[in-house]
Amino acid sequence: AQSVTQLDSQVPVFEEAPVELRCNYSSSVSVYLFWYVQYPNQGLQLLLKYLSGSTLVKGINGFEAEFNKSQTSFHLRKPSVHISDTAEYFCAVSDRGGYQKVTFGTGTKLQVIP
Amino acid sequence: DAGVTQSPTHLIKTRGQQVTLRCSPKSGHDTVSWYQQALGQGPQFIFQYYEEEERQRGNFPDRFSGHQFPNYSSELNVNALLLGDSALYLCASLGTVDNSPLHFGNGTRLTVT
Repeated sequence: AQSVTQLDSQVPVFEEAPVELRCNYSSSVSVYLFWYVQYPNQGLQLLLKYLSGSTLVKGINGFEAEFNKSQTSFHLRKPSVHISDTAEYFCAVSDRGGYQKVTFGTGTKLQVIP
Repeated sequence: DAGVTQSPTHLIKTRGQQVTLRCSPKSGHDTVSWYQQALGQGPQFIFQYYEEEERQRGNFPDRFSGHQFPNYSSELNVNALLLGDSALYLCASLGTVDNSPLHFGNGTRLTVT
């Protein structure tokens, strides 16, 4: 079984400041890792994914994440946030089988302050 | 290219009633997963359908059932509704060809009173 822990439920940050949203996972097998974003009253949109290869993954909207196998972490970062980044962010993990269920964390609400 | 579409967008039901939610997957996708997202929580996996059969199931009671049609669209049925079933129900699809991650619809907001 897998689990995902998002260490911060809310992260306030000033506009144009950098941000890091933390994610740790637990699994007995190799995994795929994802970050999704959810805007109010909408579904989830994929930001980025780690399947294999380079541990630094770049996604949409200027976000990137780094896979750290030894620390079982997959933290999300952005060097300069915008008001439009205000949303809830979910870290997720799935088995490398690819079609197995995806397990989500409880989410981190990013609030960008003007 | 149409993405994942869900209907209805909102629904209000009374405790004890039954509800059916519908999902059309993204074009080219043949696998549908359903998730329940309670307020303030992350999505919880309910089940996944492929080739009209339930392939995997999460920790949900038998009151939750589903169906997949030959055109890959899917339904989620919940019987004997409880107040705790109030949530956003998300449908997600993926295709077997490109092994892409889940593509989500905007969900159905179910309120049980």
